[in-house]
Amino acid sequence: DAGITQSPRHKVTETGTPVTLRCHQTENHRYMYWYRQDPGHGLRLIHYSYGVKDTDKGEVSDGYSVSRSKTEDFLLTLESATSSQTSVYFCAISELAGVGDTQYFGPGTRLTVL
Amino acid sequence: SQQGEEDPQALSIQEGENATMNCSYKTSINNLQWYRQNSGRGLVHLILIRSNEREKHSGRLRVTLDTSKKSSSLLITASRAADTASYFCATDEHNSKLTFGKGITLSVRP
Repeated sequence: DAGITQSPRHKVTETGTPVTLRCHQTENHRYMYWYRQDPGHGLRLIHYSYGVKDTDKGEVSDGYSVSRSKTEDFLLTLESATSSQTSVYFCAISELAGVGDTQYFGPGTRLTVL
Repeated sequence: SQQGEEDPQALSIQEGENATMNCSYKTSINNLQWYRQNSGRGLVHLILIRSNEREKHSGRLRVTLDTSKKSSSLLITASRAADTASYFCATDEHNSKLTFGKGITLSVRP
């Protein structure tokens, strides 16, 4: 978890409300990722970023948006939270992409949508 | 869609025994990685094996890769209670993204 923080660590919210999760890194790594982890599904990629203002969709991007205005911060926004978005969200970073890429994970954010 | 699939889904062994976990995947890869996740924590990288490597060691960990069978195995020797965790394989499919399997839950009984 060194060098990567996520906030908040726990959040309970109501259906229909907007939610923003923050990932902050001090490693100056170029690549940042948002995953969700659900029982029976493992980790699934939501969005990722390959530089400031450069983002792309992952496997399960519907209902989520991201922004990266600074190297160190990657925000995940649920515009209108739904109960199906109840999950544990992990941020990860990597210096490289492709061959030799190792990802380093944050501690996670547990989100409950009622 | 999931690329790597781990087997078995759950494994329970006695401390001191060896634990073997398997991962199969579908398409060609650049490399394959194994990660560990302790309960309530983020994933931690264990070891990476490139597509042109067949075996790699790191401490008590031994990873093999058979690209002809599209499979990998992770062996933890002389297991300890502290090895109790979930283990995930992840494949890099030439597109800068890792695809994770669903994980194996390892329980090591003292």
